[in-house]
Amino acid sequence: QSALTQPASVSGSPGQSITISCTGTSSDVGGHNHVLWYQQHPGKAPKLIIYDVNNRPSGVPDRFSGSKSGNTASLAISGLQAEDEADYYCSSFTSSVTSVFGTGTRVTVL
Amino acid sequence: QVRLQESGPGLVKPSETLSLTCEVSGNSIISDNYWGWIRQPPGKGLEWIGSISHSGSSHYNPSLKSRITLSVDTSKNQFSLKLSSVTAADTAMYYCARRGGISRYDYWGQGTLVSVSS
Repeated sequence: QSALTQPASVSGSPGQSITISCTGTSSDVGGHNHVLWYQQHPGKAPKLIIYDVNNRPSGVPDRFSGSKSGNTASLAISGLQAEDEADYYCSSFTSSVTSVFGTGTRVTVL
Repeated sequence: QVRLQESGPGLVKPSETLSLTCEVSGNSIISDNYWGWIRQPPGKGLEWIGSISHSGSSHYNPSLKSRITLSVDTSKNQFSLKLSSVTAADTAMYYCARRGGISRYDYWGQGTLVSVSS
């Protein structure tokens, strides 16, 4: 299985909004709604921030939102804050009953 | 509070078998969850390794399937990973995690770094 495709980096100023894309195929992202997003700060374990395309676990700010269209999912961060500077990974369930991660996106707050 | 803690050797020789254990607390391993392993080579992205239920039902990354063995020890509330015939490409931070929903890894261990070197 091939990794989902994400942009290597995205940046924005505090208070701005940014969007990260995650492109797969009809066998993963496009085939169902089990698309997730993880945030990873340096030296830390990943943290789940979005599941099933657009659901937030308890405690995750509503500045984070997810969506999907066809084979591409997106993570939007509004009101960008310094603490949002991290690596972000999408992930998807696949038709082979496995999981696959995206290539990762580094978000920089200018 | 669900907690996971990985343990195992930090250094493995090439061609040998990497063995890691994940101890779970705050959640019975015989619950309706699956338990998974994810790794991350230094400076690189996440790679899903596989997952297993308490009954032994398991799913593996096709690229690693021939080398992976996952197991569960319900008496110790822990699960394990064995990866055979390791090479330098298997050097990575290895994370264990609880799969709380389909592909949803909601609780993670802190990770353990395994280096493959002679």
